[in-house]
Amino acid sequence: GAVVSQHPSWVICKSGTSVKIECRSLDFQATTMFWYRQFPKQSLMLMATSNEGSKATYEQGVEKDKFLINHASLTLSTLTVTSAHPEDSSFYICSAARLAGGGWQFFGPGTRLTVL
Amino acid sequence: GQQLNQSPQSMFIQEGEDVSMNCTSSSIFNTWLWYKQDPGEGPVLLIALYKAGELTSNGRLTAQFGITRKDSFLNISASIPSDVGIYFCAGNSGGSNYKLTFGKGTLLTVNP
Repeated sequence: GAVVSQHPSWVICKSGTSVKIECRSLDFQATTMFWYRQFPKQSLMLMATSNEGSKATYEQGVEKDKFLINHASLTLSTLTVTSAHPEDSSFYICSAARLAGGGWQFFGPGTRLTVL
Repeated sequence: GQQLNQSPQSMFIQEGEDVSMNCTSSSIFNTWLWYKQDPGEGPVLLIALYKAGELTSNGRLTAQFGITRKDSFLNISASIPSDVGIYFCAGNSGGSNYKLTFGKGTLLTVNP
């Protein structure tokens, strides 16, 4: 149990286009979902915390207009990278916290974004 | 803000050897978690610790929640090649936001 999926697993796009990444909790309802960014050989950097039906809370330095987050249901959150540029190329990972889950976060497999 | 110091940054060991890594925090955590990340994948939860002093095992893995609630260690016994990956500690301060603070990771390489 506690499976989180992400789609797509990788995407290549042209500079200036927008890219949407989906995160789904497949077998549980997620109170909260998180979006992380990870650069090579570095730790996970939290971008934002997303609760179903409310606005996401962004970490300091993360542009909310650049990284749009929608959490439409207890099993789906989306991250849209708007007007992507090469510096947005990264590994994006989502996670989901289960209701009464004891502080655990279950991670998706990640999405590799490459902006040309 | 909270910071986690994870060490060592990397380890190169021979198959069969035991491994130990640890994390220390500048503040108290209510939950300590250990994750493993394979290249190109998301982190996978290995062990969760909830009580100060708690010692928990998962197969060849053993982790402990420090008495002061500011540290934790992870031991891997009799390492095998598939143990290769990056190991992250993470702490949760409690409350309803489930937010985690991550260590910088320990890259483990196991030579067959």
